[in-house]
Amino acid sequence: AQSVTQPDIHITVSEGASLELRCNYSYGATPYLFWYVQSPGQGLQLLLKYFSGDTLVQGIKGFEAEFKRSQSSFNLRKPSVHWSDAAEYFCAVASNNAGNMLTFGGGTRLMVKP
Amino acid sequence: SQTIHQWPATLVQPVGSPLSLECTVEGTSNPNLYWYRQAAGRGLQLLFYSVGIGQISSEVPQNLSASRPQDRQFILSSKKLLLSDSGFYLCAWRGQGSSYNSPLHFGNGTRLTVT
Repeated sequence: AQSVTQPDIHITVSEGASLELRCNYSYGATPYLFWYVQSPGQGLQLLLKYFSGDTLVQGIKGFEAEFKRSQSSFNLRKPSVHWSDAAEYFCAVASNNAGNMLTFGGGTRLMVKP
Repeated sequence: SQTIHQWPATLVQPVGSPLSLECTVEGTSNPNLYWYRQAAGRGLQLLFYSVGIGQISSEVPQNLSASRPQDRQFILSSKKLLLSDSGFYLCAWRGQGSSYNSPLHFGNGTRLTVT
């Protein structure tokens, strides 16, 4: 069965600093990977997705993620964090089974210091 | 364009009381529908999904049930709530026939507190 691990439960960065959120997946076939962001008390918004091709994927709000098959990773990055980026971030992998549901990681809560 | 609505946004219920959370999707037909739960400090757990009217699949055994009485309506219910049912409940949809690598679209969630 597929699984997703986000090793960092909480991360705090200073505004303007760079950011990297880690995601490791376990999946038997070619993975289809997603990053979602959740603002407090809100639903999830899609940041970016990887299906195939270029392993560096650009998303909304200045985020990007790099797929590394050899490391089973799909880390999310942003060069310069803004205070409005404070939220919870979820990595997910799609499974080709009945219902085609997504399996999510445990999430990483990002806090931004002024 | 497609939209998804969940209500209520917040709910406080005593232990042992019933529950009904509703989710509706507009602007699409025959979507795949999903209920996820997010417990405090934890990730998202898939509870139920539905690929059509009256078709419900449960991912985890629990105190909850789901129903899909209409094409774009998905209801999460319980006859008697437990304290452990507290959490943030998210409804999501994906277009019917979409590739399994297409993203899910989420509602704004319902914060349930069982007291």
